[in-house]
Amino acid sequence: DVKVTQSSRYLVKRTGEKVFLECVQDMDHENMFWYRQDPGLGLRLIYFSYDVKMKEKGDIPEGYSVSREKKERFSLILESASTNQTSMYLCASSRARGAGQPQHFGDGTRLSIL
Amino acid sequence: EDQVTQSPEALRLQEGESSSLNCSYTVSGLRGLFWYRQDPGKGPEFLFTLYSAGEEKEKERLKATLTKKESFLHITAPKPEDSATYLCAVQAPPGNTDKLIFGTGTRLQVFP
Repeated sequence: DVKVTQSSRYLVKRTGEKVFLECVQDMDHENMFWYRQDPGLGLRLIYFSYDVKMKEKGDIPEGYSVSREKKERFSLILESASTNQTSMYLCASSRARGAGQPQHFGDGTRLSIL
Repeated sequence: EDQVTQSPEALRLQEGESSSLNCSYTVSGLRGLFWYRQDPGKGPEFLFTLYSAGEEKEKERLKATLTKKESFLHITAPKPEDSATYLCAVQAPPGNTDKLIFGTGTRLQVFP
């Protein structure tokens, strides 16, 4: 089974802090994704990556950056955390590019910015 | 604009009472439609991929079907452990992205 592991289940940070969310997958997947999930808005794509050191903006990249130094690891960075970034953050991976490739998700990090 | 709409937002069923969840979509060139189950406090768990109209997939009490405009997730004789939020997503048209466009989900509660 695919295993996507997010480093923290719950995180509390202060406004203005730099926040790092880590994600690791163990199935040698090419693609990795970061989403945030908010009530009534569903899952929204922040950033994604098709390869090491490669990144692409999703639908809501403002205030975020990412890093992919190794194939199995994809980090989401909040450069200067703000209260409107309080949310559930979900990492996902998929095997390769192409039609019909399902994404497999971690259990999420619930981030609160005070 | 590519869009996914799920209905109803919430559904309460008695154990054994079969029903269907709807996912309607507008996308220029469907490359895949996905169903996920999400339990509270967990990430979405992949259930099915459907590619073309007329296709059906089954898993235990769940059956997913696909037409040109919508997909249904049929739940036969549900049990309390089927309670969860069910998410539908479509894969973006060809290009340089494999992103999924998600609906907001149907929250299912099954009572004994």
